[in-house]
Amino acid sequence: GQNIDQPTEMTATEGAIVQINCTYQTSGFNGLFWYQQHAGEAPTFLSYNVLDGLEEKGRFSSFLSRSKGYSYLLLKELQMKDSASYLCAVRDHTGGGNKLTFGTGTQLKVEL
Amino acid sequence: DGGITQSPKYLFRKEGQNVTLSCEQNLNHDAMYWYRQDPGQGLRLIYYSQIVNDFQKGDIAEGYSVSREKKESFPLTVTSAQKNPTAFYLCASSIQGQGMDGYTFGSGTRLTVV
Repeated sequence: GQNIDQPTEMTATEGAIVQINCTYQTSGFNGLFWYQQHAGEAPTFLSYNVLDGLEEKGRFSSFLSRSKGYSYLLLKELQMKDSASYLCAVRDHTGGGNKLTFGTGTQLKVEL
Repeated sequence: DGGITQSPKYLFRKEGQNVTLSCEQNLNHDAMYWYRQDPGQGLRLIYYSQIVNDFQKGDIAEGYSVSREKKESFPLTVTSAQKNPTAFYLCASSIQGQGMDGYTFGSGTRLTVV
């Protein structure tokens, strides 16, 4: 099976930088995704990592270390609208297909 | 525009009743998934289907049933055997490839037992 851990809650200040960590254990790693989810809404895709290193996309960056089973999502220049839950999800190749296993999500609160 | 549609947005069920949640996609995706989301527990996989007329149980399939008679449709039935059905249900679809394409999610159905 898979085990994905991420902090339950984080608080940060508008304009600051925040890093949300995710650790995982899986037998057949085949990609890691980050999603953003506002309350009562569907998750929306933020980033994808399959090789080690940093992927940057505007104010959002995501890092992966496969040997450590570790990823982080970095949010820069925080805005109030970034207050949301951030979900880490891992894909494995066991059984084929594109099945994702999600962590419990990190609830980020951005304050003035 | 292509997308994935879930209906209804809110659903109320009496104890002992079966209810069916609809999920339709026009993205030509082969794979479809049902997740349940409870506060503090993230998304948990109920059932998934990689091809028409075939589906597999996820981590919490007990008390649920699905069908996949058409590529576009993957309805979920919450049966009376599901003891705690109140939750937010999300349907998703994806291609079968292994690239950076993740899921496209529907907007969700919030089911409440009354």
